[in-house]
Amino acid sequence: EADIYQTPRYLVIGTGKKITLECSQTMGHDKMYWYQQDPGMELHLIHYSYGVNSTEKGDLSSESTVSRIRTEHFPLTLESARPSHTSQYLCASGPLGSGREDEQYFGPGTRLTVT
Amino acid sequence: DQQVKQNSPSLSVQEGRISILNCDYTNSMFDYFLWYKKYPAEGPTFLISISSIKDKNEDGRFTVFLNKSAKHLSLHIVPSQPGDSAVYFCAASAENSGYALNFGKGTSLLVTP
Repeated sequence: EADIYQTPRYLVIGTGKKITLECSQTMGHDKMYWYQQDPGMELHLIHYSYGVNSTEKGDLSSESTVSRIRTEHFPLTLESARPSHTSQYLCASGPLGSGREDEQYFGPGTRLTVT
Repeated sequence: DQQVKQNSPSLSVQEGRISILNCDYTNSMFDYFLWYKKYPAEGPTFLISISSIKDKNEDGRFTVFLNKSAKHLSLHIVPSQPGDSAVYFCAASAENSGYALNFGKGTSLLVTP
């Protein structure tokens, strides 16, 4: 059973506000990811991390930033929210070097609406 | 450019019959292929995967087939059950990109009683 948590689950916020989406996992996974998904579309990778102090940008250009100060925590921040940021944000984690590199476990997601 | 494609947005199957979900990819560097199941308002749940060195992997009612020459994989569910109704995402990953997943757009499966 995967233990990965995201808060908040739903967020409605006004344009220009700074927001942080939280993601935590208790499995000790080194790799963590943030995906963005619009309805009816594929998930797009926006950030990933191989471990503490490691962060990389994904395929989809994003105005968000991430940090990885602790293994279990991978928050995503939007400095100034805009309506174009309205989407679902999914966090995932996976083991490194265990032969199970193909598996990723997803959190429940945060549905963000920017008005 | 989308590297993983699921060309059928929806599929309806009768309970007890076989469900076949298809997926095509373009990147020959992909090492692993995965299927995820997603219910509304939840994150995707890992279902089954296959390494590029295999052509078949089976887990209970779920079997994934990989045809590398055709860059095609499929998920077979047999027998299909109403609880299988969900959106199924095909995904692929490569070691040289940190195993980040490239997803298809998903196929919505409806299993009717």
